[in-house]
Order: sequence, then C-alpha cells, then structure tokens
Amino acid sequence: GESVGLHLPTLSVQEGDNSIINCAYSNSASDYFIWYKQESGKGPQFIIDIRSNMDKRQGQRVTVLLNKTVKHLSLQIAATQPGDSAVYFCAVPTRDTGRRALTFGSGTRLQVQP
Amino acid sequence: EAQVTQNPRYLITVTGKKLTVTCSQNMNHEYMSWYRQDPGLGLRQIYYSMNVEVTDKGDVPEGYKVSRKEKRNFPLILESPSPNQTSLYFCASSAKDSLGTEAFFGQGTRLTVV
Repeated sequence: GESVGLHLPTLSVQEGDNSIINCAYSNSASDYFIWYKQESGKGPQFIIDIRSNMDKRQGQRVTVLLNKTVKHLSLQIAATQPGDSAVYFCAVPTRDTGRRALTFGSGTRLQVQP
Repeated sequence: EAQVTQNPRYLITVTGKKLTVTCSQNMNHEYMSWYRQDPGLGLRQIYYSMNVEVTDKGDVPEGYKVSRKEKRNFPLILESPSPNQTSLYFCASSAKDSLGTEAFFGQGTRLTVV
C-alpha cells in the first residue's frame, strides 16, 4: 500500500520569503498527488495537484515539483504571507479496488514570522 | 456556496452513550467518506460511500457505523463510544468523475469521550 511522509514537522519562514515543503512517497505506481492546506479549526483545503506525467505544475503563488526517480514531491510557496500559516499535507489516492480514499502524510506546520 | 457541513462541531460525551455526527453536502457528489485525524497519525479513512446505499469500510472502521439513505447525507454513528474514539473527525465528498480526490472537506467535529 501507499505510505506518505513529510520531511519536517515544522517550518518557520520570514514573511516575504519563499517556502518549500517536502514530501516523500513509497509506491512507485502512484500516479496522482495532491497538496492540502489545513488552517487552525478548519478542514483540509485542496491547493494543487499533479499527475505523474508532469514534473512541475504552477498555481497562484504555489508550485509543485515531482521527482519520480526519488519519489519525492515538494510544494513551493512564493512570497509567503501570514495567511499561509497552516499545516500542509501531501496525499496520494489509495489504489484498493473500488475504494476511494486518500493516504495522507503527517503534515508540515508552516509558521510565517512577520 | 459549495460546502460540506458537519454537526456538531464540538461534542463531549460519556462512554457507551450512542451518538451521531451528521454530514451533508450540497454539490450532488456521489462519493462521501469519513476520516479521523489524530496527532502523529494524520488523517485515516473510517468509512466511505460510493453512492446511495453503497458503503464500505476504510482503514479504521471498528466501532463506527454509517448509512447513506440520501445522496447528500452521510451520518457517522458511534453505537457505544469509547475514549479511544476521542478524535477530530472530517467528512469529505467528491464527484464521481474526479481523479479519486476528496476535494471537499467539512469543518470537522471534535469529539471527546470521557
């Protein structure tokens, strides 16, 4: 089955700097990856996704990079703002027959210092 | 506004007293599921439903029941709650034609069993 791990439980950055949050996955057959943001007191919120046939995908101030060789993906946040403070999870869909679920990493808490 | 609504947001109960956490979505999604979130363990799927009257176990189903009598509602039932079910619970929904992602999460229900 899948397992997903994040490299750092906490990341502290200065406002305006770029943030990089890393994630490793175990199943080389994984073909779809998602990043979620969870603010305090709220449920996870979809940020950006990427398919395995891509190396990079950009959104608004966010970029996800996928390195299939080492089974690693990262979320880059440009010009980090206080509103970016949250816990960030990477997730991969479970591939059990007929089942729809996500396997989540343990999360990285991003703290933005003013 | 597209949303997944859970109730209650907070609940303290005693061991053995049956309770139900409701979940409703207004997006006409086929797929719904329940997750629990525990420190250090991330989010784990409890039960899922692929459509009305179709439900199945996730990773941690013991001690829980669900039903899907209507497309929009997916209640989580704890027949005899125990302290190890103290957790933060999330309901999620996604469309049948999505890429296996649980793109919409509710706000969460924090349950304490004493």
